[in-house]
Amino acid sequence: QKEVEQDPGPLSVPEGAIVSLNCTYSNSAFQYFMWYRQYSRKGPELLMYTYSSGNKEDGRFTAQVDKSSKYISLFIRDSQPSDSATYLCAMSDDNYGQNFVFGPGTRLSVLP
Amino acid sequence: DTEVTQTPKHLVMGMTNKKSLKCEQHMGHRAMYWYKQKAKKPPELMFVYSYEKLSINESVPSRFSPECPNSSLLNLHLHALQPEDSALYLCASSQVLDQPQHFGDGTRLSIL
Repeated sequence: QKEVEQDPGPLSVPEGAIVSLNCTYSNSAFQYFMWYRQYSRKGPELLMYTYSSGNKEDGRFTAQVDKSSKYISLFIRDSQPSDSATYLCAMSDDNYGQNFVFGPGTRLSVLP
Repeated sequence: DTEVTQTPKHLVMGMTNKKSLKCEQHMGHRAMYWYKQKAKKPPELMFVYSYEKLSINESVPSRFSPECPNSSLLNLHLHALQPEDSALYLCASSQVLDQPQHFGDGTRLSIL
């Protein structure tokens, strides 16, 4: 079993749809949870950062962490064609960066 | 525009060449990272520097040699690379270890 699992997609949705992206993980020591967006030929861009469990909202983006289920989600409301990218979840524990792991990424296409 | 600047954006080199990749950040971050990313894969960690000292070396071949001259700069020296080393090389920084990482747009390296 991989440490972090994520559906690779591709996921295609119409413009304006609500998008749900998810990751599951196996290491209960993970405390920091991040979502990155990566456009083609660009570096990953930090979208959301959450410590421990709970929800966080930023504009059209909402991140949720459920540590009891080892499951994190990113919701995108009113999706736009400009949201078309690869979305990578990432997580780490408290061990001074010794265990920082990316999920494999989900490719998202928002169709106009 | 990202706050982590990488040069050059593209590099083509032969297997006998020596070249260097450069990374600069002016956010006052004290942790810096090198990653390698192949197409349709997540970034793979290579090296981590914390307070200008090498903290993590993920068993990277010696043909890759990192250097951190000061808290703002990170170099990756390349020598005698192989065709399989062709990839996008990403630099990232964070305030300290365990904090979210901010990425540059990478150097796309091709080995002939």
